[in-house]
Amino acid sequence: EPEVTQTPSHQVTQMGQEVILRCVPISNHLYFYWYRQILGQKVEFLVSFYNNEISEKSEIFDDQFSVERPDGSNFTLKIRSTKLEDSAMYFCASQAGNSNQPQHFGDGTRLSIL
Amino acid sequence: KQEVTQIPAALSVPEGENLVLNCSFTDSAIYNLQWFRQDPGKGLTSLLLIQSSQREQTSGRLNASLDKSSGRSTLYIAASQPGDSATYLCAASSFGNEKLTFGTGTRLTIIP
Repeated sequence: EPEVTQTPSHQVTQMGQEVILRCVPISNHLYFYWYRQILGQKVEFLVSFYNNEISEKSEIFDDQFSVERPDGSNFTLKIRSTKLEDSAMYFCASQAGNSNQPQHFGDGTRLSIL
Repeated sequence: KQEVTQIPAALSVPEGENLVLNCSFTDSAIYNLQWFRQDPGKGLTSLLLIQSSQREQTSGRLNASLDKSSGRSTLYIAASQPGDSATYLCAASSFGNEKLTFGTGTRLTIIP
């Protein structure tokens, strides 16, 4: 069964450094998402992406964050200058071209900021 | 603003029993509701999706219901097995807005 893949599985970075989290969504899916889950807390929406542009973003998704789909297959989340509070599990999800379809999630990238 | 609640936070049940997990949401203008399973340190596995026009969905031993008027969804697991032990999350989306709003989850332990 097709699946969403995320790399790396674990990223350790010094505060202030830039990180790029990578995702390969399910082929032919049209909607893409990033969510995050701080340890012990709810999964939170960050951003949705459709037709090569952001369709919605949360308050968390400030100017430090950006998303890109550079080559039609990868979907990346960049954090420009990481903070301690960015430490979390980051999940990528993709969805077929009908929002009545389920969102499919990857296994996540655990980001640890030192 | 949609808010989703799951009670209890944790549940332990002997193997073989049937059980029900609860999910409440505040905005009845729900578009769909999705149930997920999360194993420790892992991603989210989609179990069932119920559209707003539906009242229930079934997959194997799982049955999910949706009652928009009361703002509730339930996930029924029949004949529970130790392999069902995981955290179960529900998430709702609203009309015109595909993002999912998640509950905090119920951590289920099936006792052999």
